[in-house]
Amino acid sequence: TQLLEQSPQFLSIQEGENLTVYCNSSSVFSSLQWYRQEPGEGPVLLVTVVTGGEVKKLKRLTFQFGDARKDSSLHITAAQPGDTGLYLCAGAKNFNKFYFGSGTKLNVKP
Amino acid sequence: EAGVTQFPSHSVIEKGQTVTLRCDPISGHDNLYWYRRVMGKEIKFLLHFVKESKQDESGMPNNRFLAERTGGTYSTLKVQPAELEDSGVYFCASSPRQGLYEKLFFGSGTQLSVL
Repeated sequence: TQLLEQSPQFLSIQEGENLTVYCNSSSVFSSLQWYRQEPGEGPVLLVTVVTGGEVKKLKRLTFQFGDARKDSSLHITAAQPGDTGLYLCAGAKNFNKFYFGSGTKLNVKP
Repeated sequence: EAGVTQFPSHSVIEKGQTVTLRCDPISGHDNLYWYRRVMGKEIKFLLHFVKESKQDESGMPNNRFLAERTGGTYSTLKVQPAELEDSGVYFCASSPRQGLYEKLFFGSGTQLSVL
C-alpha cells in the first residue's frame, strides 16, 4: 500500500485558473517536500515544510503542512502554461528516507 | 556546478542479462540515494549511502541488486540477473548533509527496459 496518496492524479485547466493539489497520509512525517518533474528529467525540489501548520509561499505557489504533519497541500494561483508538469509530494521518515506520492500531472492550457 | 549525472540514460536488455547503472553525484555531496519508479507506481526508495557506507538499504528488492560506492564518489547499481519486473526508471539523488532540511538533487534517471 502507498504511504502518501495524492489527488487529483490528473488536472487540466485553463491559464489563469487556480488549483489545489492534495497529499494525504495516515502517517506522521518529520518533513514534507514538494517536487516538480518535467518529462525526461528528475524531480526538482520546490519546497520543504517541517512544522505542523506551516505555510510557505513561492511566487504563485502556496504550500501548507497539516497541523498533525500527516498531510499537505499545494495551491497555485493564476496558473500559467509554464506550471505544466508532474507535481510530487514526498514525506520524510527518519529524516533521510523519503516516501513519494504517485504524483499529480498538471496541464495548463493557454 | 555540474548536477547529478546518470549513465546510461536508457538501457534495453534481455531477461537474465546483467546491467550496471552509474551515478555521479554533485561534488562534495556525502549523501547518495537510489530510487526507482516502476510502471504506474510511485517513486520508491532503494538505498542510501553516506560517503562509501550503506546507511540504509531497506528498499533493495532482493539480492539481484547490488549497489556500491567505492571511495565515496560515484555509485553503481548492478542488476544481475535482470527480470521483467525490474523495468522502470532508476533515479539517483545526492545531498550535502543529513538533517531536517535535506535537499535532494536528482539526476535525470536511467530508463531500464527488460525484455
